[in-house]
Amino acid sequence: KAGVTQTPRYLIKTRGQQVTLSCSPISGHRSVSWYQQTPGQGLQFLFEYFSETQRNKGNFPGRFSGRQFSNSRSEMNVSTLELGDSALYLCASSWGQGGTGELFFGEGSRLTVL
Amino acid sequence: GQQVMQIPQYQHVQEGEDFTTYCNSSTTLSNIQWYKQRPGGHPVFLIQLVKSGEVKKQKRLTFQFGEAKKNSSLHITATQTTDVGTYFCAGSTYSGAGSYQLTFGKGTKLSVIP
Repeated sequence: KAGVTQTPRYLIKTRGQQVTLSCSPISGHRSVSWYQQTPGQGLQFLFEYFSETQRNKGNFPGRFSGRQFSNSRSEMNVSTLELGDSALYLCASSWGQGGTGELFFGEGSRLTVL
Repeated sequence: GQQVMQIPQYQHVQEGEDFTTYCNSSTTLSNIQWYKQRPGGHPVFLIQLVKSGEVKKQKRLTFQFGEAKKNSSLHITATQTTDVGTYFCAGSTYSGAGSYQLTFGKGTKLSVIP
């Protein structure tokens, strides 16, 4: 079956702009989580959505937001981009919430902020 | 909040040597998962441990879950160059109101010298 699909794969933005990233989970998965990955910082948890409800949120400023649609597809938005937002953004889907089931990660969206 | 500490951060081994990475949680876990991320890739699920004292093996990989369900380890016997990558543990805890929270360790980056 198809894996987790993230779009776009690469993007370049300038400071102050906003960006929207998309994640299509594996069919039947109701949980979508988002992570920010930068060199040396591991996987920084952004938020998790389950059945269209945000269940958990990480320690990121309000510029980072997300949502999940009824078909489980999810988007995350970063407004007023800063240089430090340059990172690989990974989406993961799962049948279970909060790590009760294994996570399947997408290839990621690599964001560069100039 | 929930914290999962993982050590060491880096490990360089000669091919054929053994390798171990450790995870410790500040709270009792419902389960622990392990992921591997190859250079340039995305994290891939390896295993999930649920029971106290559980030990599981996958070929040269041995996973253990502590009796108190607060610590875990991954041991690789006779490392090969294909083992190169970053290994992450992720612990799931009940966060209330029917929700669980998955917290990743910072990962151990394994380099194997041929």
